[in-house]
Amino acid sequence: GENVEQHPSTLSVQEGDSAVIKCTYSDSASNYFPWYKQELGKRPQLIIDIRSNVGEKKDQRIAVTLNKTAKHFSLHITETQPEDSAVYFCAASKGPDYKLSFGAGTTVTVRA
Amino acid sequence: EAGVAQSPRYKIIEKRQSVAFWCNPISGHATLYWYQQILGQGPKLLIQFQNNGVVDDSQLPKDRFSAERLKGVDSTLKIQPAKLEDSAVYLCASSLSQGADSPLHFGNGTRLTVT
Repeated sequence: GENVEQHPSTLSVQEGDSAVIKCTYSDSASNYFPWYKQELGKRPQLIIDIRSNVGEKKDQRIAVTLNKTAKHFSLHITETQPEDSAVYFCAASKGPDYKLSFGAGTTVTVRA
Repeated sequence: EAGVAQSPRYKIIEKRQSVAFWCNPISGHATLYWYQQILGQGPKLLIQFQNNGVVDDSQLPKDRFSAERLKGVDSTLKIQPAKLEDSAVYLCASSLSQGADSPLHFGNGTRLTVT
């Protein structure tokens, strides 16, 4: 099955700086890559996703890039704010059932 | 729209006891998932339903875990007997369908502690 590795496991950044989280996947057939944000004690929530026919996608301060050849994708958060502090999970999936395989998560702490 | 509802929020049991979790997905969502999230790890899929049929239960420890979605709406997940390593948050999620255009919506989860 699909194996998703996520790095780093923890990330501390100064408010206003950028944060980058990287994930690699093993199944070259995977074609859908969502990112979830989970605040302490709350449910994971989808923040952005990318499909394999696109190399980059942006939504305000967050962006995701995908390198199909290298089988890795990354989440970029610019101008970090205290409310960005959370655990971020990457995931990979493919059709027909698009079953998500999650990475282990990255705990992001934004220092004021 | 109302989100995915789960109960109970917390549960503490002793090993070898049984426990059941309940999930009510978002109205109209045909696909329902149960995930196990062990502390410090990403969610791991236990079982996926499409309406009232099982799509994937390959990672469900069937000797102790069972799940059902009899009427294609709400679902229950049962553990019997529980082991210490079952301590985790059990997340239910639902989506309109199985496609990539149908993102998962998670419930708040049930935190299970087995002592």
